[in-house]
Amino acid sequence: EDQVTQSPEALRLQEGESSSLNCSYTVSGLRGLFWYRQDPGKGPEFLFTLYSAGEEKEKERLKATLTKKESFLHITAPKPEDSATYLCAVRDNYGQNFVFGPGTRLSVLP
Amino acid sequence: DTEVTQTPKHLVMGMTNKKSLKCEQHMGHRAMYWYKQKAKKPPELMFVYSYEKLSINESVPSRFSPECPNSSLLNLHLHALQPEDSALYLCASSQGTGNTQYFGPGTRLTVL
Repeated sequence: EDQVTQSPEALRLQEGESSSLNCSYTVSGLRGLFWYRQDPGKGPEFLFTLYSAGEEKEKERLKATLTKKESFLHITAPKPEDSATYLCAVRDNYGQNFVFGPGTRLSVLP
Repeated sequence: DTEVTQTPKHLVMGMTNKKSLKCEQHMGHRAMYWYKQKAKKPPELMFVYSYEKLSINESVPSRFSPECPNSSLLNLHLHALQPEDSALYLCASSQGTGNTQYFGPGTRLTVL
């Protein structure tokens, strides 16, 4: 059975303090790993899709990386507007569905 | 354009009411999804439509009834809901099942 865990559960950073969020997964053949950002009461906003180990993608202050067992979302010099819950999800070889992790709640203090 | 729209934004209903949630996308996507999300939890899959046919029903109670009138529209009909059904209901679409999903803003449902 596919499993996705995320750590930490919650993270508080000072503005400008870089850090990384972790998404660890166990799947039968990874067909895609997806990162989303979700603000309270709103729908998840798509950030990145990663398909193979070694792949990296960047968008503004965010950089996502992928290994065979985990993905990291690196946040460089975060700003208060980066505060949100960050969700990762995986799709395996056999299923059509995404399996979501529980999310990391990020707070960036000014 | 990666926009998925949902109406209404908020809905309050009694346990004997019948209401519907609506979702629309104009990206030419052939897969559409309904998710339920409780506070501080990840989205939980309810239904998947692929090429306008129901392909996955994750053992959802019959008081939730999905409908896909055409490739751009997805409805969720609600009847005789329970207070525990109060949640954020999210619609998503993707090019095909398993591809990147794009989510709508959600409908906040409160059942009294």
